[in-house]
Amino acid sequence: TQLLEQSPQFLSIQEGENLTVYCNSSSVFSSLQWYRQEPGEGPVLLVTVVTGGEVKKLKRLTFQFGDARKDSSLHITAAQPGDTGLYLCAGANAGGTSYGKLTFGQGTILTVHP
Amino acid sequence: DADVTQTPRNRITKTGKRIMLECSQTKGHDRMYWYRQDPGLGLRLIYYSFDVKDINKGEISDGYSVSRQAQAKFSLSLESAIPNQTALYFCATSVATRTDTQYFGPGTRLTVL
Repeated sequence: TQLLEQSPQFLSIQEGENLTVYCNSSSVFSSLQWYRQEPGEGPVLLVTVVTGGEVKKLKRLTFQFGDARKDSSLHITAAQPGDTGLYLCAGANAGGTSYGKLTFGQGTILTVHP
Repeated sequence: DADVTQTPRNRITKTGKRIMLECSQTKGHDRMYWYRQDPGLGLRLIYYSFDVKDINKGEISDGYSVSRQAQAKFSLSLESAIPNQTALYFCATSVATRTDTQYFGPGTRLTVL
């Protein structure tokens, strides 16, 4: 069974601060995705990282996939209240019993105070 | 218009009642999934289907059943609802790619009293 440990579970920060969310596993994933979910809505894809060591930027958000494709991080620079939400990481594995399924982390609830 | 729709959006029911949650998609995707979300537990897979004739159990299928009526429709049933099935339920779709990106509906909030 593949597991993704996401930390921290809760983050409460002031506007303008930086933060990092981590996803770690002992399993190798073919790709890793980050989703953001707002209250009353379903998760929405932010980014997918595929290559070990890959870094992707989405405005103030920076996503990194570990060299061994077992871990990933999401860094937000100068957080804003609009960044508030639940952030989920999810790993995909192209083969075996995990084929066609995603393994989700437990999620990080981020609150950015004005 | 939303690509993945779920009905109802909210439902309150009593223990022992049969409940059906419905999901429809206009994305043309073959694969559909049902998840439940509980605080601190992320998304847990209940059932999934790779095409109309394919149904597979996920990690928490006990107490649930599904029906894939068409490529675009995937329903989740609780035959006899119990209070610990109170949760948010999400439907998702995908196509067969290396990344298995999934597209989620808006969710159904189910409360079992």
